[in-house]
Amino acid sequence: DAGITQSPRYKITETGRQVTLMCHQTWSHSYMFWYRQDLGHGLRLIYYSAAADITDKGEVPDGYVVSRSKTENFPLTLESATRSQTSVYFCASRQNTEAFFGQGTRLTVV
Amino acid sequence: RKEVEQDPGPFNVPEGATVAFNCTYSNSASQSFFWYRQDCRKEPKLLMSVYSSGNEDGRFTAQLNRASQYISLLIRDSKLSDSATYLCVVISFNDYKLSFGAGTTVTVRA
Repeated sequence: DAGITQSPRYKITETGRQVTLMCHQTWSHSYMFWYRQDLGHGLRLIYYSAAADITDKGEVPDGYVVSRSKTENFPLTLESATRSQTSVYFCASRQNTEAFFGQGTRLTVV
Repeated sequence: RKEVEQDPGPFNVPEGATVAFNCTYSNSASQSFFWYRQDCRKEPKLLMSVYSSGNEDGRFTAQLNRASQYISLLIRDSKLSDSATYLCVVISFNDYKLSFGAGTTVTVRA
């Protein structure tokens, strides 16, 4: 089915481990985004991308790495997970105006 | 100062009531404006775009005031199903990222 999917939906990891959150969209939208959502902060932009091999830092990029070798994929990597990175992570894609979101990944760092 | 600010609420209203709330944005180069709806930490979904002349979609009315740099959302004849968090979203003319407000929580009670 067409859409945007995130995996895993739930993840528990230990402090210091590397973890990668996957995001895949089937529309070939140019723009893709990663947000994290925490109580009291709303959605905060981590990284975004205009096309394959073009990425930009958002509001809270520290501790995260992204890549976009293919238009349809935009993985987010936590290089060395910290408890402060416990959050709900949303991936989104956009072509014109409306943005479509994945169902989110609930990440807990213990 | 945050790029997009919203009154967090919560707005607790009875069924049938009218509820309205605003969102202010700081970047005068902001070009496109939207209201998204988010239920229970699920993924945000587009509710409606906001046009310069104002626009309606059923019981929902959105207004844009460029001079004062705010947008508004009004919900008439509130339904229980309108209970959600409403997110204000802004796209700047010179950028392609979506900037989110922290959200306004609306609870409609029977």
